[in-house]
Amino acid sequence: RKEVEQDPGPFNVPEGATVAFNCTYSNSASQSFFWYRQDCRKEPKLLMSVYSSGNEDGRFTAQLNRASQYISLLIRDSKLSDSATYLCVVNMRNNNAGNMLTFGGGTRLMVKP
Amino acid sequence: EAGVAQSPRYKIIEKRQSVAFWCNPISGHATLYWYQQILGQGPKLLIQFQNNGVVDDSQLPKDRFSAERLKGVDSTLKIQPAKLEDSAVYLCASSLAGTSGYNEQFFGPGTRLTVL
Repeated sequence: RKEVEQDPGPFNVPEGATVAFNCTYSNSASQSFFWYRQDCRKEPKLLMSVYSSGNEDGRFTAQLNRASQYISLLIRDSKLSDSATYLCVVNMRNNNAGNMLTFGGGTRLMVKP
Repeated sequence: EAGVAQSPRYKIIEKRQSVAFWCNPISGHATLYWYQQILGQGPKLLIQFQNNGVVDDSQLPKDRFSAERLKGVDSTLKIQPAKLEDSAVYLCASSLAGTSGYNEQFFGPGTRLTVL
């Protein structure tokens, strides 16, 4: 079983649609959680952190369910510029030795006009 | 502020040849990571440095891969000899070192390696 699992997609949605991505992780000792965005042939960039209380950044809402080991990302009012691969990321270590990130395989989103 | 620099951006070699990649992290970032990203997959950590010491190299195929960060700043990753399955993008990332919490990892543009 993969440590972080995501549906690879692609999700093809029209502009203005709402789309949700899900992710599950296997290690209950995971410390913190993130969504990264990766554009085609570019490097990953941090999109947002994910908290149990849920957090929102504009059109993006992320949610963590520790009991189910499940992470979600909701994008409202999709824009063409949202087309990218969304990587679910789990951090296994938070100490002065740095962090240890495990990435899911990514979910590809394509927003069509 | 300058980001993480990597070179070369692209490299094509034949199997059994050697190749080296270079990374210059963001100034002041004590922690440096090398990742391998195979097409269609997420990045996989190969090795993590804290200053010039190795924190984690558990996923580094040590029979053919090596990495160093001798002065605690720049780093090189070497593959010798390369195999077809090493074709991937090699990403370098850096972050501040902290006592707790998450310090964002900033990624370089990567080196795209093709092994023929």
